[in-house]
Amino acid sequence: AQKVTQAQTEISVVEKEDVTLDCVYETRDTTYYLFWYKQPPSGELVFLIRRNSFDEQNEISGRYSWNFQKSTSSFNFTITASQVVDSAVYFCALSEGYGGSQGNLIFGKGTKLSVKP
Amino acid sequence: KAGVTQTPRYLIKTRGQQVTLSCSPISGHRSVSWYQQTPGQGLQFLFEYFSETQRNKGNFPGRFSGRQFSNSRSEMNVSTLELGDSALYLCASRGTENSPLHFGNGTRLTVT
Repeated sequence: AQKVTQAQTEISVVEKEDVTLDCVYETRDTTYYLFWYKQPPSGELVFLIRRNSFDEQNEISGRYSWNFQKSTSSFNFTITASQVVDSAVYFCALSEGYGGSQGNLIFGKGTKLSVKP
Repeated sequence: KAGVTQTPRYLIKTRGQQVTLSCSPISGHRSVSWYQQTPGQGLQFLFEYFSETQRNKGNFPGRFSGRQFSNSRSEMNVSTLELGDSALYLCASRGTENSPLHFGNGTRLTVT
C-alpha cells in the first residue's frame, strides 16, 4: 500500500539556520511521482517541486534543495538560510502510476516549520 | 492568469443539511480534483473530474458527490452533513495529464 511519512510534526528554527524536512514513502509501483507543497496560513497549497521515480537527480532552486534517494525511499527537502517567510506547513506527497494519476495524491501529515527572527 | 477560485471561503451549516461548494479551475485546465483536510486525517483525496467525467474517487461515503460542467467548473456536494464533515475543502486543477496540481484557497466548512 502507498504511504507517505513525515516524522517531524513541528520544527522551530531561528532565521538564517538551515533546516531539512524529512519524507519517507512506500509504494509497490516502479513508476511514481513525488511532490512537495507549501501551505501558508492562507490555506492554499503551493506547488514546490515534482520528481518522477526515474529521475534521482537532486535539485536546487535558490535556497531550496531536494534530495531524492530511492535506496532509502526518501525525498528530503532542505531550506538554506531560512527566512521568516518560510514559516508554513510543508507537505510531501506521492502519486503512483503514470501522469494520469497525478490528480490523486497521497499526502503525508505535514511538517509545521516556524522560523523566528 | 487567475488561480483556482473556490467559493464560498467560509460556510457554517447545521447537521443534517446539505452543502454545495464551487470551484473554478485555472483557465484552460480541464482536470479538477477535490481534497478534504482535517486535523485528524490530514489531506485526503475525494475525487477527480476530467472533461465532465469522474475519473477517480477516494474512499468517502456516497454522501460526497461532485460534478464538472462543460466549462470545467466543478461543484462538490455533501448531503446529510455530519459533525465530522467539518474541514477545509480544497480544489485543485491541472492543465495536462503530466502537470502537477495547483490548489485554491479552499472552503472552510463548519458543521454545528
